[in-house]
Amino acid sequence: AIQVTQSPSSLSASIGDRVTVTCRASQDIGNDLGWYQQKPGKAPKLLIYAASRLQIGVPSRFSGSRSGTDFTLTISSLQPEDFATYYCQQDYNYVLTFGGGTKVEIK
Amino acid sequence: QVQLEESGPGLVKPSETLSLTCTVSGGSVSSGHYFWNWLRQPAGKGLEWIGYIYYSGDTNYNPSLKSRVTISADTSKNQFSLKLSSVTAADTAIYYCARSIEGKLTTQYWGQGTLVTVSS
Repeated sequence: AIQVTQSPSSLSASIGDRVTVTCRASQDIGNDLGWYQQKPGKAPKLLIYAASRLQIGVPSRFSGSRSGTDFTLTISSLQPEDFATYYCQQDYNYVLTFGGGTKVEIK
Repeated sequence: QVQLEESGPGLVKPSETLSLTCTVSGGSVSSGHYFWNWLRQPAGKGLEWIGYIYYSGDTNYNPSLKSRVTISADTSKNQFSLKLSSVTAADTAIYYCARSIEGKLTTQYWGQGTLVTVSS
């Protein structure tokens, strides 16, 4: 089974900071990776799909990129509403697995 | 816009079968190239995919749960359902249903989730 290793598990940042979260897949999954934001008591919200495609309605400060089996979610300028937990999800070969999550907290 | 809503018992006894239903509005479970998924999240922990039913009726399950899971659809009610047998306390979680992006398994629309507790 494909494993996805997400890092860091948590980070502290200030408003306006540039924030990056990384996921590494255990094998080549092409661009079959998405990023989600989850706030307490809510379902996850899709931000990015196919590694770099911005979901409609998601602010442009969110972006995704891929280098081989490494995937990165970048928030260019952290806003108050961005404090949440972020998950990556790979969907290669019709099986879904998630990274362990990254909690973004206020510094 | 598609909306999904989970329903079912919030408390299930150990060794029994957990049964949940997802009611879909704003879309059809039997048309479009969509995957209709079940996922879960134990309190304070990460997300786990349980399985899907494709619009055609094909199913696929998480290998770690496959022996206990059945996902089916009732197209007349525009619903799909989850059955998880022989539950233990480890199956206590918030259960979500979700629809994919067209043609990809990436989950796009999610229900609000329902808490299922396994306890005697």
